[in-house]
Amino acid sequence: NAGVTQTPKFRVLKTGQSMTLLCAQDMNHEYMYWYRQDPGMGLRLIHYSVGEGTTAKGEVPDGYNVSRLKKQNFLLGLESAAPSQTSVYFCASTVPGQGEAFFGQGTRLTVV
Amino acid sequence: AQSVTQPDIHITVSEGASLELRCNYSYGATPYLFWYVQSPGQGLQLLLKYFSGDTLVQGIKGFEAEFKRSQSSFNLRKPSVHWSDAAEYFCAVGPSFSGGYNKLIFGAGTRLAVHP
Repeated sequence: NAGVTQTPKFRVLKTGQSMTLLCAQDMNHEYMYWYRQDPGMGLRLIHYSVGEGTTAKGEVPDGYNVSRLKKQNFLLGLESAAPSQTSVYFCASTVPGQGEAFFGQGTRLTVV
Repeated sequence: AQSVTQPDIHITVSEGASLELRCNYSYGATPYLFWYVQSPGQGLQLLLKYFSGDTLVQGIKGFEAEFKRSQSSFNLRKPSVHWSDAAEYFCAVGPSFSGGYNKLIFGAGTRLAVHP
């Protein structure tokens, strides 16, 4: 029972490079979220999805894109990485009103 | 707009002392409320949640929280803190079953240090 799996766990990018973070959940959850965690800022919502094929912007969407082509996967893309995107990224999934959100272990991204 | 405020960035308590972490929310109706804990280098673990009913909810690790509608608060408490409770604690507002609210929003967190 894997829960929520994020890949990769660590990554170093050069400014201007692109990459995709993958989040996979095996709990058949409808809602999925991408957050970034920075010191003193808590978890800030980047984008979220309430179902397959739908996405919406969160608090800090600029510089990121997402896709939810399959219910179990939620991809976060950085088209042109910037040092300001150095952060720890967490994916989460939940069923609305059903209780806790399940989190991945995080991806530590450094942009140099 | 929905928001969650945790007024205390850092709290230090002695082992065995009581603990209260504050959380205030802004929302048009009663949201679903959560407390999560994050140990260093780890993901988030759910401590407890409030959906409806009894305003005092019990969670894991001896934690409890009280929902006060009049104060828009959901404060976390523990009567006697253990050194292993040192972590960062996040209050969150979650999506409702009715679909009227679908974001999971977190406060900025409170970092708890425990002195021996």
